[in-house]
Amino acid sequence: ELKVEQNPLFLSMQEGKNYTIYCNYSTTSDRLYWYRQDPGKSLESLFVLLSNGAVKQEGRLMASLDTKARLSTLHITAAVHDLSATYFCAVDLDSNYQLIWGAGTKLIIKP
Amino acid sequence: ETGVTQSPTHLIKTRGQQVTLRCSSQSGHNTVSWYQQALGQGPQFIFQYYREEENGRGNFPPRFSGLQFPNYSSELNVNALELDDSALYLCASSLSPGSFTDTQYFGPGTRLTVL
Repeated sequence: ELKVEQNPLFLSMQEGKNYTIYCNYSTTSDRLYWYRQDPGKSLESLFVLLSNGAVKQEGRLMASLDTKARLSTLHITAAVHDLSATYFCAVDLDSNYQLIWGAGTKLIIKP
Repeated sequence: ETGVTQSPTHLIKTRGQQVTLRCSSQSGHNTVSWYQQALGQGPQFIFQYYREEENGRGNFPPRFSGLQFPNYSSELNVNALELDDSALYLCASSLSPGSFTDTQYFGPGTRLTVL
């Protein structure tokens, strides 16, 4: 059974700092996604990572994928308050959009 | 381009009742997936419909059922509601399974409370 583990599950940090969220998964996967969820809201797609060594960046967020290590990271650079949200990684085993999700990382960025 | 819409936004039911949730997929998408998200947890895959046929199912009992219509909109039906069914139900639309460059787009969700 595929397991997706995120850590940390909770992260409180100051504005301007850098930090990394980790996503480990237990079996080979074709695709890995990162989503953002604000409280009481739906899920917003951030990144789709399709191959080993893939790196994508959008603003202060950068995601990478190491399929050999079964590890993805979401790096936050010079955090700002607007990035406060819960971040989920999700794995798509067979490229069929049937995603298996991590438990989420709740990120709070203090001014 | 229209986004994914869901109705109703909120719903309160009692144990044993039945509920139907609705989803309209994004224009051009023929695949709809349904997820259950309990409070403080990640979403759990319920099932997926592709061109009106069920195309995969997660670990949910048969009282969770669905439909997809010719216009690719979809319904999720839950019979014999239990307290643990209280959750946010999300639908997501996407291109055909196996499309390599796209992602799923999520609707705003239906918050179901079972009393």
